[in-house]
Amino acid sequence: KAGVTQTPRYLIKTRGQQVTLSCSPISGHRSVSWYQQTPGQGLQFLFEYFSETQRNKGNFPGRFSGRQFSNSRSEMNVSTLELGDSALYLCASSLDRWTSVEQFFGPGTRLTVL
Amino acid sequence: AQSVSQHNHHVILSEAASLELGCNYSYGGTVNLFWYVQYPGQHLQLLLKYFSGDPLVKGIKGFEAEFIKSKFSFNLRKPSVQWSDTAEYFCAVTRGGGFKTIFGAGTRLFVKA
Repeated sequence: KAGVTQTPRYLIKTRGQQVTLSCSPISGHRSVSWYQQTPGQGLQFLFEYFSETQRNKGNFPGRFSGRQFSNSRSEMNVSTLELGDSALYLCASSLDRWTSVEQFFGPGTRLTVL
Repeated sequence: AQSVSQHNHHVILSEAASLELGCNYSYGGTVNLFWYVQYPGQHLQLLLKYFSGDPLVKGIKGFEAEFIKSKFSFNLRKPSVQWSDTAEYFCAVTRGGGFKTIFGAGTRLFVKA
């Protein structure tokens, strides 16, 4: 079974631009979560989607948004990019959001904002 | 504020030494606890998890962790580390349904051969 895939793997943008990152969960997994990983702040929860609905949200500004499609694939969007948005963005999928199951992480998309 | 604290940011050990990485969290009530590991150049992967039951949890590669509710702790242990255990280790906590997971800052472990 293929793992969690994220595209693109690397991205370079300039301040003020917007970016869309994509995540394909493991086949059959319905829950997708997004995290931001930086050297200074570590791993921080962005949001969780299940059945095309955002179920949980972290403490990030409204410039960070996401969505989930009927096939469970998810995208996150960052508008008006700032230098501080440079980070590794990780996607994780799980079978559902209630049972004692683990999250499976993708390789991440490394975003550099110049 | 809700938080997860990992006591050591960097740990250096020789092979065969014993390992204990501390983790404390600040939530009350029911929590799910995890240790994740990120080997150099690899994805974050689950090492072990605690949801309920026996507070001593065994994971992959000989790792174990003990949940002590009264101390809000979930320390990771391994009796004898190997060079291949060199990695970054993250403690994480979720509450209730879903995966709003709070991660600790991580501990970088370097094992000298």
